[in-house]
Amino acid sequence: DQQVKQNSPSLSVQEGRISILNCDYTNSMFDYFLWYKKYPAEGPTFLISISSIKDKNEDGRFTVFLNKSAKHLSLHIVPSQPGDSAVYFCAASARKAGGTSYGKLTFGQGTILTVHP
Amino acid sequence: SQTIHQWPATLVQPVGSPLSLECTVEGTSNPNLYWYRQAAGRGLQLLFYSVGIGQISSEVPQNLSASRPQDRQFILSSKKLLLSDSGFYLCAWSAPGGNTEAFFGQGTRLTVV
Repeated sequence: DQQVKQNSPSLSVQEGRISILNCDYTNSMFDYFLWYKKYPAEGPTFLISISSIKDKNEDGRFTVFLNKSAKHLSLHIVPSQPGDSAVYFCAASARKAGGTSYGKLTFGQGTILTVHP
Repeated sequence: SQTIHQWPATLVQPVGSPLSLECTVEGTSNPNLYWYRQAAGRGLQLLFYSVGIGQISSEVPQNLSASRPQDRQFILSSKKLLLSDSGFYLCAWSAPGGNTEAFFGQGTRLTVV
């Protein structure tokens, strides 16, 4: 049962344009969402997160949007840079489920972003 | 600042051999610790997590085990490796309580031959 899904395996964008990465989830207990960036043969690096009490969170070029009714979130990167080329993982946590989730994360399959110069 | 170390970076082991991967965290106390695995072309799957010394919870049945002999040390083991154990193994930590993001080590690429 894939509770977090990233339906686009890959995305190609021109430098300077917007990159939009999408993520859907099915578990209504998820209340904290994160995006990670991963280069080959390295561990994921935390990018940005959002709590379910918000619908938007910004950090520099990165903005995450959450639509709870649609169980959908997206990561916007503006402007995109070649150095942004990596695999992006969406993750979710049910922090309040049964008291605490102990930070356990459920990940999507990842989307390969390629930003062309 | 907090750092997480994981080794070795790559490992090639024959089927049936034992496994021991080690992870240590510095700069924090009583972290929550995690072992994840990324199979080829897939997302990260949580294998084990620990909220304290000697406390291990397993998320999926498998051929692997985990131990936490010290507060900031997390070990992933197997007595006899299977071909299906091949993958990219990642150790991670988060602050106590778990209401923050997790920070990952550099990972170990395990190939069972």
